[in-house]
Amino acid sequence: SQQGEEDPQALSIQEGENATMNCSYKTSINNLQWYRQNSGRGLVHLILIRSNEREKHSGRLRVTLDTSKKSSSLLITASRAADTASYFCATDARKKLVFGQGTRLTINP
Amino acid sequence: DGGITQSPKYLFRKEGQNVTLSCEQNLNHDAMYWYRQDPGQGLRLIYYSQIVNDFQKGDIAEGYSVSREKKESFPLTVTSAQKNPTAFYLCASSRITGIEQFFGPGTRLTVL
Repeated sequence: SQQGEEDPQALSIQEGENATMNCSYKTSINNLQWYRQNSGRGLVHLILIRSNEREKHSGRLRVTLDTSKKSSSLLITASRAADTASYFCATDARKKLVFGQGTRLTINP
Repeated sequence: DGGITQSPKYLFRKEGQNVTLSCEQNLNHDAMYWYRQDPGQGLRLIYYSQIVNDFQKGDIAEGYSVSREKKESFPLTVTSAQKNPTAFYLCASSRITGIEQFFGPGTRLTVL
């Protein structure tokens, strides 16, 4: 079962620009998480936002959550080549995390 | 140096053979998980365990089996019943279910 869906599927921008990725989900949640995956590697947790929070920051990352629209966005500011990766949202569903298909982000020098 | 390890990194198997993937964590986490990832896709949950000697099926458990005899270890066996086992397998752990998960580096299984 797939809970979260990311949009766009792929995003290519110039270094220094901001990158925005969106995630939509279907059922009520306790929290929503974002993860990064470099090619061929495991996932790395970026940020967790609880259902009663609307916005959260971590360094160059900004996450918003709109529970009325069942959607979240991840903004990466001042992108760097090292940000090139796939980004996944994950929602908790009955003690499990359900991951979306991911957004593949490419930062061009 | 705390973390979660998986071995081997690459694994080749002949059709009809069972194979076991290793996952070990020294984070003292109660919950552990196995995911399957196909090219360009998200993660799908195979099995998860909230505590030693207990585990539950995920979304795609058919053709897989697990055990959780020790808190640190959660091995996954890919049986010959799994019709399309070639994939990237990721193990993860968390202090409890529903919160931040820590992932291992993955095992890429190829069936020849």
